[in-house]
Amino acid sequence: NAGVTQTPKFQVLKTGQSMTLQCAQDMNHEYMSWYRQDPGMGLRLIHYSVGAGITDQGEVPNGYNVSRSTTEDFPLRLLSAAPSQTSVYFCASSYQDRDYEQYFGPGTRLTVT
Amino acid sequence: GESVGLHLPTLSVQEGDNSIINCAYSNSASDYFIWYKQESGKGPQFIIDIRSNMDKRQGQRVTVLLNKTVKHLSLQIAATQPGDSAVYFCAENRYRAAGNKLTFGGGTRVLVKP
Repeated sequence: NAGVTQTPKFQVLKTGQSMTLQCAQDMNHEYMSWYRQDPGMGLRLIHYSVGAGITDQGEVPNGYNVSRSTTEDFPLRLLSAAPSQTSVYFCASSYQDRDYEQYFGPGTRLTVT
Repeated sequence: GESVGLHLPTLSVQEGDNSIINCAYSNSASDYFIWYKQESGKGPQFIIDIRSNMDKRQGQRVTVLLNKTVKHLSLQIAATQPGDSAVYFCAENRYRAAGNKLTFGGGTRVLVKP
């Protein structure tokens, strides 16, 4: 199993640009989520999904959209990038009945100038 | 690339000694308390969990203690090795709760000295 994969590893955007961060898992996990990690802030939940076709907001959803058309994929879209979105983004997945044990991807480092 | 903050509390440990990492949590309604390890440039990795109705749980070289009276969680690492150098996060979880499922603490950096 490849586990949780994320692309790209690094990205630089200009303010106002949009882009999609990709996330895929091959463990047949029901639950998938996106976190951002800022210095001194730990990890904060952006959006999550409990299964295909179902998404919901986390702690910091503004400026981001998600969709879950398949069990495997959970892309995160930045609609109009802002410098405040400069961060490291992690995708995670888990079984629904073990949602405390999440498997994280390697992360995408995003810089918005 | 480095993905953690510049001002994390740091624990320096001699190789072979035991490490104790502490965490204070806030939500008395949490069902699980979890420890994650994050090595430089990688995503967090699950280490061990403990249910709220337990006060101690042991894994391989790790022990987690839960004191609900003072809302305190600790992770003990026996015979610390260079590979244990990382940032350690505690997290709390409400089983199948909607919304913010995993709430992470700020992290502690562990540096193992040879």
